[in-house]
Amino acid sequence: RKEVEQDPGPFNVPEGATVAFNCTYSNSASQSFFWYRQDCRKEPKLLMSVYSSGNEDGRFTAQLNRASQYISLLIRDSKLSDSATYLCVVKPNTGNQFYFGTGTSLTVIP
Amino acid sequence: NAGVTQTPKFQVLKTGQSMTLQCAQDMNHEYMSWYRQDPGMGLRLIHYSVGAGITDQGEVPNGYNVSRSTTEDFPLRLLSAAPSQTSVYFCASSPNIPGTDTQYFGPGTRLTVL
Repeated sequence: RKEVEQDPGPFNVPEGATVAFNCTYSNSASQSFFWYRQDCRKEPKLLMSVYSSGNEDGRFTAQLNRASQYISLLIRDSKLSDSATYLCVVKPNTGNQFYFGTGTSLTVIP
Repeated sequence: NAGVTQTPKFQVLKTGQSMTLQCAQDMNHEYMSWYRQDPGMGLRLIHYSVGAGITDQGEVPNGYNVSRSTTEDFPLRLLSAAPSQTSVYFCASSPNIPGTDTQYFGPGTRLTVL
């Protein structure tokens, strides 16, 4: 079983729509959770860390559900510039490895 | 701060050639790592280091060597390039402190092995 699994999509949504991505992780001892954004042929960049209580950054909301071992990312009022691949990243509390999902592709359509 | 820098940006090798991908960071991060990214596979960890003089293997270490003689530099060596090593290689660094262990990535090296 993969450490981190994501629906690869693609998600094609109109401008202004709300879209949500989920990501599941297999290691219940995972400690740190992140969402990264990757534009085509560019390096991944941190979008937001995910905290136990959930957190919001403008149009983006991240949630963590430890009982079901998943994290989610909600994007409200989608913009064309949100088109990218969104990577879920998990780090267990033992060891020093970060585990990446394969990414979810989002295209926002005018 | 320049952040994480990688050289070269592009490289073409012939099978059997060796080369070193360079990675440097100026953020005084203890943790550095190398990933490769292939279509449909996501980012896979090759090697990582938690500090100068300490390295460890990741998920796909075969065919690659690393060393960490300084905090700033973490070169990745391909010993005898194979077509299966055609990929995009990303170097990343992190403070590796719980609560602030965000990874920062370099711009990547696109490697083609013929």
